[in-house]
Parts: sequence; C-alpha cells; structure tokens
Amino acid sequence: EVQLVESGGGLVKPGGSLRLSCAASGFTFSSYSMNWVRQAPGKGLEWVSSISSSSSYIYYADSVKGRFTISRDNAKNSLYLQMNSLRAEDTAVYYCAILGDGYNFDYWGQGTLVTVSS
Amino acid sequence: DIQMTQSPSSLSASVGDRVTITCRASQGIRNDLGWYQQKPGKAPKRLIYAASSLQSGVPSRFSGSGSGTEFTLTISSLQPEDFATYYCLQHNSYPRTFGQGTKLEIK
Repeated sequence: EVQLVESGGGLVKPGGSLRLSCAASGFTFSSYSMNWVRQAPGKGLEWVSSISSSSSYIYYADSVKGRFTISRDNAKNSLYLQMNSLRAEDTAVYYCAILGDGYNFDYWGQGTLVTVSS
Repeated sequence: DIQMTQSPSSLSASVGDRVTITCRASQGIRNDLGWYQQKPGKAPKRLIYAASSLQSGVPSRFSGSGSGTEFTLTISSLQPEDFATYYCLQHNSYPRTFGQGTKLEIK
C-alpha cells in the first residue's frame, strides 16, 4: 500500500524557517518525481514544487522561488521542503504528492499544517 | 504560464442529476489534464487522468473528455458521496496549474 506521511508543520513567525518531511513507503520511491502542493485555509489547491526521481530537475512556483528548497533522499525514501523567509500567505496545509501525470498512479499524503503568524 | 479557467465555481444539483464541469486552458495542452475530487478535511483524490482515462477504483459514472484547450468532467448520475469540490490540473508544462475549483452542493 502506498503511503505518504508528512511531518514538520507547525506555528512559525514571519521571517522564520521550517522544514517539512514526507516519508514514503509501498512503492519504489527512487523511480518517481515528487511534488509539494499546498492549500491555504478555505482556498484552492496550489502546486508548490516538483523534483525528478534523481533530483536532476527541480521546479518551483514563482510564489516560493528563492525562499523554498525541495530535496529528496532516495536511500531514506524521503522528500523534504525547506521553507525560509516565511510569510503569512504561506499559511496552508502542505501535501506531499505523486502527481501521476499521464499514468494511473497518483497519491497524496494527509497533509501538514503550516501557520505563519506573529 | 498556463492558466486554467474552471467553471462554474459552484453548482447546486440533486441526487440523480447529470452535471458537467469545464476547464479551459490558456494554450493547448494536448490531453495533459487530470480531474480531482476533494472532500472537506481530506486530501484530493484523482478521478480522471490523461483527460479521459478513469483512475483505478473510480466509479464509471465519472467521465472526462476534451483535448487542446477545453475539457469537461461529467458525472452521469450524482450520488450523495459526490458532493465535494472538484479541480482540474494541467501537467503539460511547469508551473503545474490547478483550476480554481468547483464546489458541488446539494440542492
């Protein structure tokens, strides 16, 4: 069974930093691109970042470029999101996800809440 | 960036109704589109991939169509568990972009 379990969310002050983790199991983690998607309270879904299977290709939304860093450790079956210079508008539930694109394989974690507030 | 315009933003319907939700892309994206369902407090669940392919385990009352710039999600006969918010997502290029969502409510 595919499982994606996020951790690391919490309350942080504006300008602060937080590191999210996603522990993956039940599939060959090193074979798949991984993503972070967020959802602000009461709002729609926003794609945040993607990383290819070998970390060769990395993409960011303009809203987080230069502040967030995605990474992965295939030996540990783990995905990360380092978030720096956090702003109130970064407050959201952050999901770790395999976005299946054109394939019949698409999974999401349960999400972790990040609240940026003084 | 590719913009995804989803309509309507909300929809009221009854059990048994047929409903259609539309997503328009600001430029052609072939069939690089998926449809997701999200219920309150839960992660999204993909229903359709490659514009018209049904995700494993998804009931056949859900169907998708379209190519290029216009796409539709159709629910042929609404069931009580289908009342949720629906999103499209394009994976033709980065940045990936979602539609704004359609909240499907019980009439």
